[in-house]
This record gives sequence, C-alpha cells and structure tokens, in this order.
Amino acid sequence: SQQGEEDPQALSIQEGENATMNCSYKTSINNLQWYRQNSGRGLVHLILIRSNEREKHSGRLRVTLDTSKKSSSLLITASRAADTASYFCATGNQGGSEKLVFGKGTKLTVNP
Amino acid sequence: NAGVTQTPKFQVLKTGQSMTLQCAQDMNHEYMSWYRQDPGMGLRLIHYSVGAGITDQGEVPNGYNVSRSTTEDFPLRLLSAAPSQTSVYFCASSYPQGAGTEAFFGQGTRLTVV
Repeated sequence: SQQGEEDPQALSIQEGENATMNCSYKTSINNLQWYRQNSGRGLVHLILIRSNEREKHSGRLRVTLDTSKKSSSLLITASRAADTASYFCATGNQGGSEKLVFGKGTKLTVNP
Repeated sequence: NAGVTQTPKFQVLKTGQSMTLQCAQDMNHEYMSWYRQDPGMGLRLIHYSVGAGITDQGEVPNGYNVSRSTTEDFPLRLLSAAPSQTSVYFCASSYPQGAGTEAFFGQGTRLTVV
C-alpha cells in the first residue's frame, strides 16, 4: 500500500513564487526522499533526509522532516517554469533504496 | 555514463502474450528494482534484488517474474499479459550505504495490453 500521501494533489503558481508540498507517511522510516518526474520521463532524485535530521537544503530546495508527526515538506523557492513537474515523496530503509514506498505525488505547474 | 537503460520504450501486447522488459545499469549497483506507475498513483514495487542471484517480491508481484544472473541486468517477465498490466514500468538501481542512498531510474517502458 502507499506509504506517503502528498498534499496538495495539484498546485498552480506564478513564476517567482514559492511552492510548498507536504507528505505524510504511516510507519517508522530510516530516510525520506523527494523525486521529480517531468511528463513522460523517469524520476530524478532531488534530496534525501535521514530520520535523525530535521531540515536539509539543496539550492532552491528546502526539506523538513517531523518524525513525531510522520510528515515532511518540500519548499521550492523562487520557482521557474522549468520546475513544472510531478513531485513524489518516498520512504526508504537503511542501506540502499531497493524498496522505496512512494506517495501519489503533487503535480506542480509554474506559469510564466 | 548511460545510467539505467530500459528497453523497449513502448510496447503493445495482446492479452495472453508474454514478453520481457529489459533493464541494464552500468553503475555497478548491487540493488535493482522494478516499479509500475498507474494514472494518479505513485510508483508501486513489483520485485527487487539485492544482488546477483537474489530476488524478492514487492507489493504487486503477481503476474511478473524476475531473475538476476548478473549485477548489470534485471529483466522483468510478464508471463501472460492482462489488461490490468497496462502501465508504465520503471527500473531503478541503488547501492547500499549507511542510512540510505538515492535511487537512479530508467526512462520507463509504456506497456499497453489489449
């Protein structure tokens, strides 16, 4: 069954605005990852946050993790039209990522 | 590096036919996985492997078979295709390290079963 649930399911913003997507999960995790999927393409890894971390940054991305609430958020600052894509959270176990459990995703549209 | 390569990109099958989806990676990753993605859904795990000769079932394994004879290749076999197997299939690879590492995905195979 799906582990994560993203919220909102769809988000439409203007270029330059910030986009925030949320993810909730059900069971204990070792790490939580965010992936981007452009239409008709494979998934690209964005960022991984471990269960003992609370916040992580990568360029215009900021991820938070609250293990007590079993939730995570992805913030994209100063969005661009090229950020238009679907974003998925996935929970992982220790070691490799052979058994990722994905949420249903948030479809982000950034209007120029 | 090519990364993870999936073939074919598109395939149409008739109900009852069998076929093999190919996946190859050139990163020497120990772990490989197959997922399917249906409209409005995230990816669901079909089968995975933690090394040559070792495979295990994921969330939705029925109707699929895998084997891992080499580190590089992880083919997915549809034994007798059904319309319910119409989906986009993704192969991924990763390596084990500490508290988790990223997965690298192929571009997907879009399968239609009529």
